[in-house]
Amino acid sequence: DAEITQSPRHKITETGRQVTLACHQTWNHNNMFWYRQDLGHGLRLIHYSYGVQDTNKGEVSDGYSVSRSNTEDLPLTLESAASSQTSVYFCASSESSDRGHNEQFFGPGTRLTVL
Amino acid sequence: SQKIEQNSEALNIQEGKTATLTCNYTNYSPAYLQWYRQDPGRGPVFLLLIRENEKEKRKERLKVTFDTTLKQSLFHITASQPADSATYLCVNNDMRFGAGTRLTVKP
Repeated sequence: DAEITQSPRHKITETGRQVTLACHQTWNHNNMFWYRQDLGHGLRLIHYSYGVQDTNKGEVSDGYSVSRSNTEDLPLTLESAASSQTSVYFCASSESSDRGHNEQFFGPGTRLTVL
Repeated sequence: SQKIEQNSEALNIQEGKTATLTCNYTNYSPAYLQWYRQDPGRGPVFLLLIRENEKEKRKERLKVTFDTTLKQSLFHITASQPADSATYLCVNNDMRFGAGTRLTVKP
């Protein structure tokens, strides 16, 4: 069965360290997304990609970067982790459509704590 | 930019009743709205999509409406069950999510 996985599921790091969160999907979807979820804010879009070599900034992209070298993976990098980046991170993917975005399939999330 | 507002943080109802959740948007009408369900510790799961030119969509016990005059979408769960207890999220076509409404269905 096709799926979308995230690793690690839990991560504790220190302020200033570089952290990379992995996202891997076997749906063969062109579209991939990274969100963070904080209490009171719901899900907020960090970065997204519509295909290989394509990346775009979302609503809260400062301090984050992504790269898309193949269809299956969209790793999220925190260049220099800050305590404000403590959050739960979700990766999602969806099919391309000429009618806009289709339903998104979400991963199980990564809980990141920055001390 | 558009704001998506789910005004009720929490909603408690009795089993068997209809749950109605509200999603309001500001400024322009989105091309479509999607509704997701999220259980604690898990990622959201897609439920329904309704386009701007559609008044109503149904799927089993779920119904969603889109009112461009009121700038609002309503999400209904009929004959609610304790298993329907979860957080329900509304999102527009720009991937802006509301904060969610936590629904609790009591037996």
